[in-house]
Amino acid sequence: ELKVEQNPLFLSMQEGKNYTIYCNYSTTSDRLYWYRQDPGKSLESLFVLLSNGAVKQEGRLMASLDTKARLSTLHITAAVHDLSATYFCAPIQGAQKLVFGQGTRLTINP
Amino acid sequence: DTGVSQNPRHKITKRGQNVTFRCDPISEHNRLYWYRQTLGQGPEFLTYFQNEAQLEKSRLLSDRFSAERPKGSFSTLEIQRTEQGDSAMYLCASSLVGRVEKLFFGSGTQLSVL
Repeated sequence: ELKVEQNPLFLSMQEGKNYTIYCNYSTTSDRLYWYRQDPGKSLESLFVLLSNGAVKQEGRLMASLDTKARLSTLHITAAVHDLSATYFCAPIQGAQKLVFGQGTRLTINP
Repeated sequence: DTGVSQNPRHKITKRGQNVTFRCDPISEHNRLYWYRQTLGQGPEFLTYFQNEAQLEKSRLLSDRFSAERPKGSFSTLEIQRTEQGDSAMYLCASSLVGRVEKLFFGSGTQLSVL
């Protein structure tokens, strides 16, 4: 059974700072997804990482995948208030089942 | 492309009643998923369909839960004899089979069992 651990679970940071969210998972996975969720809203797809060493960037967010270490990271550069949300990683188990982490609730303060 | 649509947005019911939720996927998406999310947790997989075939069901899906996708279009999720522990957000997602398969989630149905 694939288990996913995100840390930190809560993160409060100042605008302009950099930080990294970590996603560890317990067994081999072919693909890993990152999603964003605003309070009371559904999930918005951020990145799909397909292979070892994959790196994807969109604006101030950059995601990477190390399949050998079973680790993905989501790096935030020069944070802005609009990035406040809960971020989930979800490696895939088997053919099609996404297994979500508990989420990292990110609060960015002015 | 109007996105994944779920109805109703909110459902309040009494324990023991049956409820049914509907999901309309993005047109031409051949895969459809149901997830459940409780407060402060990540979504948990319940089941998925490819076209009209239900290909996987989670152990979480007790025999009180049933899902259908007739004709491979919309899907329904029914919960019989609801319990307070069924209270959660029920999320539907759809995707198109491919190498880079992205799941698009609907806004969910929030179920409260009193």
